[in-house]
Amino acid sequence: DIQMTQSPSSLSASVGDSVTVTCQARQDISNYLNWYQHKPGKAPKLLIYGASMLRTGVPSRFSGSGSGTEFTLTISSLQSEDLATYYCQQYHDLPYTFGQGTRLEI
Amino acid sequence: QVQLQESGPGLVKPSETLSLTCTVSGGSIISHYWSWIRRPPGKGLEWIGYIYYTGSTNYNPSLKSRVTISVDTSKNHFSLKLNSVTAADTAVYYCARGGGSQDSWGQGTLVTVSS
Repeated sequence: DIQMTQSPSSLSASVGDSVTVTCQARQDISNYLNWYQHKPGKAPKLLIYGASMLRTGVPSRFSGSGSGTEFTLTISSLQSEDLATYYCQQYHDLPYTFGQGTRLEI
Repeated sequence: QVQLQESGPGLVKPSETLSLTCTVSGGSIISHYWSWIRRPPGKGLEWIGYIYYTGSTNYNPSLKSRVTISVDTSKNHFSLKLNSVTAADTAVYYCARGGGSQDSWGQGTLVTVSS
């Protein structure tokens, strides 16, 4: 299995800040990486696929970058509604695997 | 907009079979992959497996001997069966559309394994 390591595990920031979450894959996954947002009690939401492709309808303050083994999710101009846990997921190899999550506190 | 809803017992006894159904509304189950994912308490997300509408499947090897995912196109739903459950299978179970990228998810249903 491809292990995905996210950092930090939790993060506290203020409205208007810019935050970055990092995801590291144990082996090369090219750009087969998704980012999900999971708010408590809600269905997880796909934000970014293919490492950097913003899903339609997702605010442009979310962006993703990286390829190979190092990836980042950046949220610029943080909003209160961005309070959530963020997960990366690789879909290069089966079984698909997730990072352990980054809990964002506003 | 497609919506997914998980249903099934919230409590299962150890050694028995966990059975969940995901009903898809607002869209067809045809021409898509459909996944099951779970989140044990205090842990991250774990991919269980997916099924194509034709019935072809792929499972997580860690669960492969115990899991079956099936699809019923006439009812527009797909199902998960996990047998010989233990307390380690206690989790929130999510169904989702997509194989590699899951673009729509259900709200999730908590299944507790306990006698």
